[in-house]
Amino acid sequence: AQTVTQSQPEMSVQEAETVTLSCTYDTSENNYYLFWYKQPPSRQMILVIRQEAYKQQNATENRFSVNFQKAAKSFSLKISDSQLGDTAMYFCAFMKHDTGNQFYFGTGTSLTVIP
Amino acid sequence: DVKVTQSSRYLVKRTGEKVFLECVQDMDHENMFWYRQDPGLGLRLIYFSYDVKMKEKGDIPEGYSVSREKKERFSLILESASTNQTSMYLCASSFIDSLYEQYFGPGTRLTVT
Repeated sequence: AQTVTQSQPEMSVQEAETVTLSCTYDTSENNYYLFWYKQPPSRQMILVIRQEAYKQQNATENRFSVNFQKAAKSFSLKISDSQLGDTAMYFCAFMKHDTGNQFYFGTGTSLTVIP
Repeated sequence: DVKVTQSSRYLVKRTGEKVFLECVQDMDHENMFWYRQDPGLGLRLIYFSYDVKMKEKGDIPEGYSVSREKKERFSLILESASTNQTSMYLCASSFIDSLYEQYFGPGTRLTVT
């Protein structure tokens, strides 16, 4: 079974600063995908960034980037130049290449950006 | 834009009632999923379906059933609601190709009294 661990239930960051959210996972699979999802207060869950395990290069999406360490099974999210709109619950997710593409989610990190 | 809609944002039901939660997606996705979200537990998969009339149990299927009669619609059924099923329920869908992420609905907050 796959497990995803987010060890930081809550974090805060000053506006315009940089913050890193951690995520580790446990799997025996070699072919899989990792995701960070964002759930703003009372709003829909949306994808922030995706990483394919076979790619060594870390994914980036504007102010969001990941540090993917396959051997260490670590997948952290870095948010640069934090904005008030980044306040949300962030979920790390693992998906193995399989029928149904089942996701395994971490318990989430609640991030608050302080003005 | 992909749209995943859920029939209700908020629902209050009594213990023992039969509850239907409906989810509809408009992107011709093969896969559909039902999760429940609880504080400190993250999202836990209840059931998923990768084709019409197909269903697979997730991690916590007890007390739930599902129905997928049409590709765009996936229903979650609580046969006899109990207070421990009070939760936020999220529906998601995706293409069967693993390159694609899951798209989520807005969620249904169900309270069972």
